[in-house]
Amino acid sequence: AQTVTQSQPEMSVQEAETVTLSCTYDTSESDYYLFWYKQPPSRQMILVIRQEAYKQQNATENRFSVNFQKAAKSFSLKISDSQLGDAAMYFCAYRSPNFGNEKLTFGTGTRLTIIP
Amino acid sequence: DSGVTQTPKHLITATGQRVTLRCSPRSGDLSVYWYQQSLDQGLQFLIQYYNGEERAKGNILERFSAQQFPDLHSELNLSSLELGDSALYFCASSGRGSSGNTIYFGEGSWLTVV
Repeated sequence: AQTVTQSQPEMSVQEAETVTLSCTYDTSESDYYLFWYKQPPSRQMILVIRQEAYKQQNATENRFSVNFQKAAKSFSLKISDSQLGDAAMYFCAYRSPNFGNEKLTFGTGTRLTIIP
Repeated sequence: DSGVTQTPKHLITATGQRVTLRCSPRSGDLSVYWYQQSLDQGLQFLIQYYNGEERAKGNILERFSAQQFPDLHSELNLSSLELGDSALYFCASSGRGSSGNTIYFGEGSWLTVV
C-alpha cells in the first residue's frame, strides 16, 4: 500500500515571502499521480497543483510550483509571494492509476500561517 | 466551483438515527468517491463507485452503505449513528480522458450527531 508523509505539521511565512512544504511518499509503482490540495477554514478541498510521475518537468501553477524528485520519492510545494489567502491546511496526495486502487491517499497535512 | 454538488451542507441528528448524504458528480464523471474527515483526523477513504458498480472499499463501517444510481449520482447512508460519526463527509468525482487523473471534491456535508 502507498503511504504519504508530511513531516511539517505547521509552517509559517511572512506575507510576500516564499515557503516550501515537504512531502514524501512510498510506492512500488512506476506510474502514478501526485497532488497538493488546499483546505482553507471553509474546509473546502481545493486542488492546487498536480504532477504526473512520467513527466520530468516540474508542474507550475502561477505562484505555486513543485519540486518532484522521483528517485527520492519527494514532492514538495513551493509557494512564492505568499498572500493572506494562502493560509490553509495543505494536503499532499498520491493516486495510483491502477484499477481498483484509484483513490487518493493523503498525508496528514501542513497548516500554513501567513504573517502580515 | 468544482462541479461536484453535495447535499445537505449541514445536518444535525441524534444518536441511533439514520441519514442519507447525496452527491452529484461533475458532468460526465463516472467515478464517485466518499471520504470522511473527523475534527482531528485526516481524510479517510470510505468507498468508490464507478458507473454504478462498487470499485474499491476503504475504512467504511458496516453501519454505512453507499450506492451509485444510473444517472451517476451517489448516496451515502449512515445508520445507527454514534457521536463518533460526527465529521465532514466529502464526495469527490473523476472522469475519463486527460482530466481523468484528477479527483475533484464537493464542499462536503457536515454531520453532527448529538
